[in-house]
Amino acid sequence: EAGVAQSPRYKIIEKRQSVAFWCNPISGHATLYWYQQILGQGPKLLIQFQNNGVVDDSQLPKDRFSAERLKGVDSTLKIQPAKLEDSAVYLCASSLPSSGANVLTFGAGSRLTVL
Amino acid sequence: AQSVTQPDIHITVSEGASLELRCNYSYGATPYLFWYVQSPGQGLQLLLKYFSGDTLVQGIKGFEAEFKRSQSSFNLRKPSVHWSDAAEYFCAVGRFRGGSNYKLTFGKGTLLTVNP
Repeated sequence: EAGVAQSPRYKIIEKRQSVAFWCNPISGHATLYWYQQILGQGPKLLIQFQNNGVVDDSQLPKDRFSAERLKGVDSTLKIQPAKLEDSAVYLCASSLPSSGANVLTFGAGSRLTVL
Repeated sequence: AQSVTQPDIHITVSEGASLELRCNYSYGATPYLFWYVQSPGQGLQLLLKYFSGDTLVQGIKGFEAEFKRSQSSFNLRKPSVHWSDAAEYFCAVGRFRGGSNYKLTFGKGTLLTVNP
C-alpha cells in the first residue's frame, strides 16, 4: 500500500512569514496526526483528527498554528506568523481504527527552517 | 500524564556487538509501548510494539524488547548489530482514551552509531 505522503519536504522562510504543509494519509485511515519534532527531541503531538473532527489539539499553539482536514482525507497544517522556534520537522501519521489499539504509520516529514 | 525517559542520548557500538537501548516509562495503567527507528531524513518506522500478553516482543530487523512492569521498563535489544542499524531510536508510550484512539508520547531518542 502507498505510504503517508507529505509535501513539501523542505521549506525555508523568514520569521513572521506563513507556511503550509500538506498530508495525504494511507487510504482508509480515518485517524490522522500531526507531530512536531524539534532537533534533539522526540515528536510531540500537535493535533489528532478522527475523520474530519478534532480529537486532541491541546498542544497546538492556536495563536499561530491551524490545521484542517476537509472531507476526512487530506490535511493541511498552517503556521502564521512563523517564529524562530517553529523550526522543526513536521510529521504526519495516520492509523486505521479497529476494535483495539492501532499502529501509526508516519510520513517522511516536512522540514521547516525559520530564519 | 504519561512520560518516557531514554537515559542514553548517544550510544556507540561495534558492528557485530550486542545492543541494549533503555526505556523507562511513567503511566498509571497498563501501557501500550512502542519502539520506532528514524534514519536521517526519514520518517519513523515501527520496530515493535507491546499491547498485552507475552512480555518478550519480537520485531523487525532482528530486534526484540522486554516489558518489565516492576521496573517500568521496555528495553530494546539486538544480539548482533549491523552497520545499517545506525539511526535514532525512539521509545513511546500510548495512553488509551477510548474507542480506537490513544495518545503517543515519545522519549527524546537515542542516537546509535555503529563502528566498523
